[in-house]
Amino acid sequence: NAGVTQTPKFQVLKTGQSMTLQCAQDMNHNSMYWYRQDPGMGLRLIYYSASEGTTDKGEVPNGYNVSRLNKREFSLRLESAAPSQTSVYFCASSEHTGGYEQYFGPGTRLTVT
Amino acid sequence: KQEVTQIPAALSVPEGENLVLNCSFTDSAIYNLQWFRQDPGKGLTSLLLIQSSQREQTSGRLNASLDKSSGRSTLYIAASQPGDSATYLCAGRISSGSARQLTFGSGTQLTVLP
Repeated sequence: NAGVTQTPKFQVLKTGQSMTLQCAQDMNHNSMYWYRQDPGMGLRLIYYSASEGTTDKGEVPNGYNVSRLNKREFSLRLESAAPSQTSVYFCASSEHTGGYEQYFGPGTRLTVT
Repeated sequence: KQEVTQIPAALSVPEGENLVLNCSFTDSAIYNLQWFRQDPGKGLTSLLLIQSSQREQTSGRLNASLDKSSGRSTLYIAASQPGDSATYLCAGRISSGSARQLTFGSGTQLTVLP
């Protein structure tokens, strides 16, 4: 099992450009999540999907959109990138939301100039 | 709003030492708490998940405790090794809310010196 995979690993964007971060899991999990990690701030939840067909905002959703493409895949889109979105982005999954253990992907390091 | 704090931000110990990492949280209505390890440039690896009904959880040389009344969790690492060097993150879920999302601390960067 690959677990949670993310593409790309690294990306540099100019301000105003758009891009989509891809995430897939092979653990048959129902719930998936997108986090960002900034120095000194811990991880913060951007969006999550409790189950296929549903998405909900997390703590810092502004400037992002998500799509739960199917049970395996959950993508994060930046429509018009800003320097404040420079961060490391992690995707995670769990069997369900609530108290279940979350498993994380390797991350995407994004720089917006 | 749940806040999770980890102090110190960095810790350096000689190999073989037993050590304790601290995690404190503000909301005593905690549902469970998860400890993670993060190696430089990598994702998070789950170490232990401790439920609010449990006081301790063990995996190999690791032992996590949870004290809701004092708002504290500790991760005990026995006989530390250089391979334990990493950043350790704790994350708590509060009981209320439909999804019980994780709130993360900023982590403790551990260096074990050979």
